[in-house]
Amino acid sequence: DTGVSQDPRHKITKRGQNVTFRCDPISEHNRLYWYRQTLGQGPEFLTYFQNEAQLEKSRLLSDRFSAERPKGSFSTLEIQRTEQGDSAMYLCASSTRDHPYEQYFGPGTRLTVT
Amino acid sequence: DAKTTQPNSMESNEEEPVHLPCNHSTISGTDYIHWYRQLPSQGPEYVIHGLTSNVNNRMASLAIAEDRKSSTLILHRATLRDAAVYYCILMKTSYDKVIFGPGTSLSVIP
Repeated sequence: DTGVSQDPRHKITKRGQNVTFRCDPISEHNRLYWYRQTLGQGPEFLTYFQNEAQLEKSRLLSDRFSAERPKGSFSTLEIQRTEQGDSAMYLCASSTRDHPYEQYFGPGTRLTVT
Repeated sequence: DAKTTQPNSMESNEEEPVHLPCNHSTISGTDYIHWYRQLPSQGPEYVIHGLTSNVNNRMASLAIAEDRKSSTLILHRATLRDAAVYYCILMKTSYDKVIFGPGTSLSVIP
């Protein structure tokens, strides 16, 4: 068990560019979550998947954000036309369906929009 | 949703016990009390959870007040590695996301 992995760990982009992040969950976990964390704050929920189905999206997830989990394994989070306010740590977590409260988090992708 | 209140920060000496308090006076009968922690530059990690009875695991103990309006996370012997932000969270088993508050930043003094 290698844990949840995220790629890249750091991303610097210019305002207006598109970025895509990848998350690989723990292999037997069928639930996958995305969170966003800004400095000094706790993580904020963005969206989650059960297998390939996206079951909930936060109102924080604007139209510029899209997430996919096409085969129920890894997931991608894309941000289009990035803004400086998108600068944050993007965290991915996974869990089993039977224990959704016990989520295992990855190390995160730190996005800096200049 | 019921809310939790935690001190912003706490300090502890290394190798001494730490008691991290959490108030949740509006807790409902179906809310479970969960604790996560986040070490510097890492994602959060699950610590422990309980409903009514006190709980122990390899990481910590959770003491829940009889009226369930407060709880305490107990680290029996703080180490430098325990320096982290500790989040107290209420969740129903049907909830699928973790709602994090600001948490308590624990410093451990050598």
